[in-house]
Amino acid sequence: NAGVTQTPKFQVLKTGQSMTLQCAQDMNHNSMYWYRQDPGMGLRLIYYSASEGTTDKGEVPNGYNVSRLNKREFSLRLESAAPSQTSVYFCASTLQGAGTEAFFGQGTRLTVV
Amino acid sequence: QKEVEQDPGPLSVPEGAIVSLNCTYSNSAFQYFMWYRQYSRKGPELLMYTYSSGNKEDGRFTAQVDKSSKYISLFIRDSQPSDSATYLCAMHGGATNKLIFGTGTLLAVQP
Repeated sequence: NAGVTQTPKFQVLKTGQSMTLQCAQDMNHNSMYWYRQDPGMGLRLIYYSASEGTTDKGEVPNGYNVSRLNKREFSLRLESAAPSQTSVYFCASTLQGAGTEAFFGQGTRLTVV
Repeated sequence: QKEVEQDPGPLSVPEGAIVSLNCTYSNSAFQYFMWYRQYSRKGPELLMYTYSSGNKEDGRFTAQVDKSSKYISLFIRDSQPSDSATYLCAMHGGATNKLIFGTGTLLAVQP
């Protein structure tokens, strides 16, 4: 049972490049989330998907897009990377909504130069 | 003002000490209160979960929620070096489906 799997684990991008962070969960969870974690800022919600077919903006959505491909997969896309997007990105899933336990992936360390 | 405030630390204590970690919040709609533990270079894991006000105990860990003061606490008794990690409070409630985290407190328990 893998839980929440994120790929890649590490990535270096040049300013202006695009990339997609992949996330998949095998727990049959309905809700999925993307967070970024920066020193002194804690975890900040970028986008979330309450259920398959729906997505909503979080606290810091600018510069990102998401796709809930199916119930298992929730991807995060950076269309034109900027140095301010250098961060550790975490995907999480919950069985149903934010009031249930969130399970996190191992994170993706992204550096934009 | 952030919805959730948490002292980032770092907090350094000797082994065996009682640790107190705290968060304050401003949104009175919050009803679900959680503590997550995050080891270095890992994702957060749920440690304690409390609904509404009151106390909850699990082994060496006690979570307290005081909704009247908008204040939550996590106590760790007989702290161990293996408790060294970042502790994040998280809250949810109201109409939106968002889990809001504090900034996290870095704890180091010295052997």
